[in-house]
Order: sequence, then C-alpha cells, then structure tokens
Amino acid sequence: DAGVIQSPRHEVTEMGQEVTLRCKPISGHNSLFWYRQTMMRGLELLIYFNNNVPIDDSGMPEDRFSAKMPNASFSTLKIQPSEPRDSAVYFCASSFRLAGVLEQFFGPGTRLTVL
Amino acid sequence: AQSVAQPEDQVNVAEGNPLTVKCTYSVSGNPYLFWYVQYPNRGLQFLLKYITGDNLVKGSYGFEAEFNKSQTSFHLKKPSALVSDSALYFCAVMVTGTASKLTFGTGTRLQVTL
Repeated sequence: DAGVIQSPRHEVTEMGQEVTLRCKPISGHNSLFWYRQTMMRGLELLIYFNNNVPIDDSGMPEDRFSAKMPNASFSTLKIQPSEPRDSAVYFCASSFRLAGVLEQFFGPGTRLTVL
Repeated sequence: AQSVAQPEDQVNVAEGNPLTVKCTYSVSGNPYLFWYVQYPNRGLQFLLKYITGDNLVKGSYGFEAEFNKSQTSFHLKKPSALVSDSALYFCAVMVTGTASKLTFGTGTRLQVTL
C-alpha cells in the first residue's frame, strides 16, 4: 500500500495566487481529514469528510479556503487568494471508520510558502 | 469541548534511560486516546491507542502508554530510549460519538543523546 499521497510536496507562490493541494487517501478508507501545521498554532483540523461528504468544516479559517472530495480516492484543498499567513505544512490523513480501529494515517504533507 | 495538554515542550533523555512524555486530557465523555510521532519533514505516524480494556497499551518501537482515568492522563513511556527516538510526539483525544474528530496536543520534542 502506498499510503496517503499528497501533491505537490512543496509549493511556493505569490500572494494573491490560487493554490490547490491534492490528496489521495488509502484505498478503502472512508474518512479524510485536512490539517494545517504551523509553529504558532500547532496542528489544526481544517475539515473532514466521511464517505465523500463534508462533516465538519469549522476549522476552515475563512472563505478563501475550500475543500472538495468528488470521489473516494481524491480530495483537494484550495486557497484563493493566498496570503503570506497561509504559509504552513498542510497534511491530509485518512482512516477507516470501524469499531476499534479509528487511527488516522497521515500523508507526507505539502509545505506551502506564500511570498 | 475536548482538549489535550502536553505540559513539556521538550524532554531530554540519555540513551538507555527510561523516558516519559506527559499528556493529560479533558473530555465530557469516554475518551479514545492516541499517540503519534513526527520525524523531521514527515507526516505523523501512529504509535498506539487506548480504546477500552487494559489501561496499559503497547505500541510500535517499544513504546507503551498508561491510561489513568482518575488523573485524566495518558503518558507515553519507553524503558530504554534510543537516539533514533528523537522526534516530535503528539497526544490526541477523540470522544466517542463525535465521529472521527481528533484533537491534538501541542507536541513534545524528545531529544535523546548519547
């Protein structure tokens, strides 16, 4: 199993540009999570999906952020327009909701730098 | 609301000595508790979890953790530290009935020296 796949691994962009981060969860997993990690705020849950449906997006910082999961094997996190304060490492994680399991498996992350 | 506290930003241990990384939690229901480890420039890796049953749970790489309900703690331990254990460790809590939402602590950096 390849694990959770994220692309790109690094992204450098200029303020105001649109950024799209991509995630492929582990095959068979039915929950997907987007996190953001910064030195100041630690690890924050942005949004999560169960069976491709967004369940809780209360962590999405503002309307500039949006996430989609068009099918069970793909999700995107979009920032438009991007700002320097969006610079962070963005992680995608997936899990399979079954009693006694629950642990999440994380991708390698996308390091975003907004200049 | 659920929360996790990791009171130590960093723990320093000599190789071969036992290590403890502390975690306390606050929830309004029954907790599921997790430990994850993050190596530099990597994603988080699952170490172990407490769901129910035996309060002492064993996980990957020789780590274990003890669930203490009265003290609301879930400290991570290892009898003999290795230099390769040096990493960032996160405690996390999930409350039963809240779908799959994990709340993470701020992380504790473990530094193991020769």
